[in-house]
Amino acid sequence: QVQLQESGPGLVKPSETLSLTCTVSGGSISSYYWSWIRQPPGKGLEWIGYIYYSGSTNYNPSLKSRVTISVDTSKNQFSLKLSSVTAADTAVYYCARRRVTMVRGVKDYYYYYMDVWGKGTTVTVSS
Amino acid sequence: DIQMTQSPSSLSASVGDRVTITCRASQSISSYLNWYQQKPGKAPKLLIYAASSLQSGVPSRFSGSGSGTDFTLTISSLQPEDFATYYCQQSYSTAITFGQGTRLEIK
Repeated sequence: QVQLQESGPGLVKPSETLSLTCTVSGGSISSYYWSWIRQPPGKGLEWIGYIYYSGSTNYNPSLKSRVTISVDTSKNQFSLKLSSVTAADTAVYYCARRRVTMVRGVKDYYYYYMDVWGKGTTVTVSS
Repeated sequence: DIQMTQSPSSLSASVGDRVTITCRASQSISSYLNWYQQKPGKAPKLLIYAASSLQSGVPSRFSGSGSGTDFTLTISSLQPEDFATYYCQQSYSTAITFGQGTRLEIK
């Protein structure tokens, strides 16, 4: 059974770079997409971006200029870097596996969803 | 970006009630709609994908329907463990977006 575990500093100073790692256990990081999602205190979910195991990425347009997601298949890990953080980046950060199911019909349909999540890690931006 | 709007934002119901939560997309997303359940202090849990497909291990009292812009999540008979916040999420666009959430509370 695949499990995900986020790790990284719980406190980051304003203007610095937030760095988190997600370790995948119980399965291989290969052949899947891997996502980062965050949730500010008392608010809803915000998708940050995802990476394919091969290294291709897709980011939330509102965060794209500050986000980098990378993957290390040898360690079964993927990582998030968010630069120039402010208090607005204070949140619980989750990593998740993005899975695809293909449905064959007149044409093929590919349905994507996040089926395995880490427990989340709280990151506070404060001096 | 595709905006996802859930209604109601909060809902009070009793054990055994039938409950429906609605999610509306700002443009057609076909059936590229997922539902998640989140309990306080916990990570979200996938309930429904592709609008109506039940994720493995999820009780059959949960069901999803809809296509295009309007979707519903139905819980046929509320159980105590179902009181949580529910989120819809579209996967039609490469820019993934979530609804604002519906908080389901005990009446």
